Amino acid sequence: GAGVSQSPSNKVTEKGKDVELRCDPISGHTALYWYRQRLGQGLEFLIYFQGNSAPDKSGLPSDRFSAERTGGSVSTLTIQRTQQEDSAVYLCASSLSLATYNEQFFGPGTRLTVL
Amino acid sequence: LAKTTQPISMDSYEGQEVNITCSHNNIATNDYITWYQQFPSQGPRFIIQGYKTKVTNEVASLFIPADRKSSTLSLPRVSLSDTAVYYCLVGDIGKSSGDKLTFGTGTRLAVRP
Repeated sequence: GAGVSQSPSNKVTEKGKDVELRCDPISGHTALYWYRQRLGQGLEFLIYFQGNSAPDKSGLPSDRFSAERTGGSVSTLTIQRTQQEDSAVYLCASSLSLATYNEQFFGPGTRLTVL
Repeated sequence: LAKTTQPISMDSYEGQEVNITCSHNNIATNDYITWYQQFPSQGPRFIIQGYKTKVTNEVASLFIPADRKSSTLSLPRVSLSDTAVYYCLVGDIGKSSGDKLTFGTGTRLAVRP
């Protein structure tokens, strides 16, 4: 596609439910990144993928968070047993390769609200 | 892991030059410095990147002193549409365990008529 797309754009869920957030990177981009941005705050780095591999998952906030990427393209960020503190905008970005991590192209984000 | 510090907010008027400085005292040898712009309800957008000295593109200039412990984003003749949050990004990734990309807390620039 022309840019990074994310779905859904908005998600409202109840505490304790699981949610899946999807990211479609720019075609041909091998590196993919997930961030969390709480209201009025900066970006919190969560995880990156090189191809389908996530070499380092230490940035994920807790074991309720997981991410995967298939076919070197679409990525899914899953949050299990959501808590109110998970409410935030989740941003996905991609870059041509890991070597060009500085020039990331961001999607519009998914706004997650946990009631 | 380079921690970055930026001013929380800045005000300017249309037509003025704006300089936003980011401090990154423990920047690593291989780290590049990148600046992003973010409008409300949108993802950040790449502006400029550099390693040392000065870099200029059609949008901005980036000044990096010899010690690389800080960097300054310079926006010439700002307009109302430059009102946004500006982030500096310093870091490296893919080299070792625990690598993270650290965005600064962001500087909220307000441009007034």
